[in-house]
Amino acid sequence: DAMVIQNPRYQVTQFGKPVTLSCSQTLNHNVMYWYQQKSSQAPKLLFHYYDKDFNNEADTPDNFQSRRPNTSFCFLDIRSPGLGDAAMYLCATSRDSGPGYTFGSGTRLTVV
Amino acid sequence: AQRVTQPEKLLSVFKGAPVELKCNYSYSGSPELFWYVQYSRQRLQLLLRHISRESIKGFTADLNKGETSFHLKKPFAQEEDSAMYYCALMASGGSNYKLTFGKGTLLTVNP
Repeated sequence: DAMVIQNPRYQVTQFGKPVTLSCSQTLNHNVMYWYQQKSSQAPKLLFHYYDKDFNNEADTPDNFQSRRPNTSFCFLDIRSPGLGDAAMYLCATSRDSGPGYTFGSGTRLTVV
Repeated sequence: AQRVTQPEKLLSVFKGAPVELKCNYSYSGSPELFWYVQYSRQRLQLLLRHISRESIKGFTADLNKGETSFHLKKPFAQEEDSAMYYCALMASGGSNYKLTFGKGTLLTVNP
């Protein structure tokens, strides 16, 4: 089945140690998104790629970066994770402004 | 800037009872509204969108521009409806592919 896959499902990282979360899709969607969701809060858009064009949200900290080497893959890099970065990170895809997003299962990041 | 408000964090009903999950939005343009659902241990998935005007799993939602609301309703709740429900808004215009989510409502349907 065409889908959005996020790896790993759970990630534990040390305070200040760079970490990368990955997302892959088989839907051939041209837009890929990264959302951060903290406990009891709404998913918050960090950035998205429209094709190869990177679009950062104004309030996304510089600590968060992203790469999209090809249509299928997108990575979220956290350069120096802090305790406040512990959250669920959701990857999603869509086709332009098409009928809705397809979400991955998410990666739950713990910072120790 | 757009904002989505779901005033109820938790909602508990009995099986067979009607259920309404509230959603209000703030946006100056013409939005597209969605409801997403997340069942236990599953990913977020699209439930319905206002443009489709369809009923999915017995749920309907009507966009009321006057009240800026998009409440989700079902006349007879089922236990399998227990899940987290998120209302979301997609802005029209140049950035019309970005979704803004509400904080979600956890619906519990009791037997």
